[in-house]
Amino acid sequence: EAGVTQFPSHSVIEKGQTVTLRCDPISGHDNLYWYRRVMGKEIKFLLHFVKESKQDESGMPNNRFLAERTGGTYSTLKVQPAELEDSGVYFCASSQVTGTQHGAFFGQGTRLTVV
Amino acid sequence: AQSVTQLDSQVPVFEEAPVELRCNYSSSVSVYLFWYVQYPNQGLQLLLKYLSGSTLVKGINGFEAEFNKSQTSFHLRKPSVHISDTAEYFCAVTLPSNQAGTALIFGKGTTLSVSS
Repeated sequence: EAGVTQFPSHSVIEKGQTVTLRCDPISGHDNLYWYRRVMGKEIKFLLHFVKESKQDESGMPNNRFLAERTGGTYSTLKVQPAELEDSGVYFCASSQVTGTQHGAFFGQGTRLTVV
Repeated sequence: AQSVTQLDSQVPVFEEAPVELRCNYSSSVSVYLFWYVQYPNQGLQLLLKYLSGSTLVKGINGFEAEFNKSQTSFHLRKPSVHISDTAEYFCAVTLPSNQAGTALIFGKGTTLSVSS
């Protein structure tokens, strides 16, 4: 069974450009999460989808970030326009069942560098 | 609000030595506790979790952790490490919920470096 897949694995863009990250969760997983780790800091929650609906987007840093999950399958996270402080590793995670006792399965992350 | 502190950013250790990675948390309510591991160029993998019950939990790859409510700690241990245990380890908490999952709150991570 395929795990959580993220691509690209690395992206280097200039300040002001747009970047779109993609996450393919494990098939059948209704819950999809985005997290971000800025260098030297904690991994921080960005938002949570249940199927195609945004359950919690309290962690989104500002309106330059737009997440979508059309059809409740894969998700995209767009940063427009990118700023230097957006650099970091963006993780996607998914889980099948509701309830927090099950943890989540993580992808390997997308390393975004804004120069 | 909840928070997690991993007391050591880097832990160097020799192969076959025991290791303890420390984690303390802060919360006014009960939480679930997790340890994740990230091997180089891979995603985070769940090592073990504490939900309730026995305070000593065993995970994959010979790791175990002990929940201590009075000290609000959840330290990770392994009696004898291997080179292959070299990785970054993350402690995390979340609120118990039977609804759609709530977010994990992570510590800053501890890099375990095992050398021969």
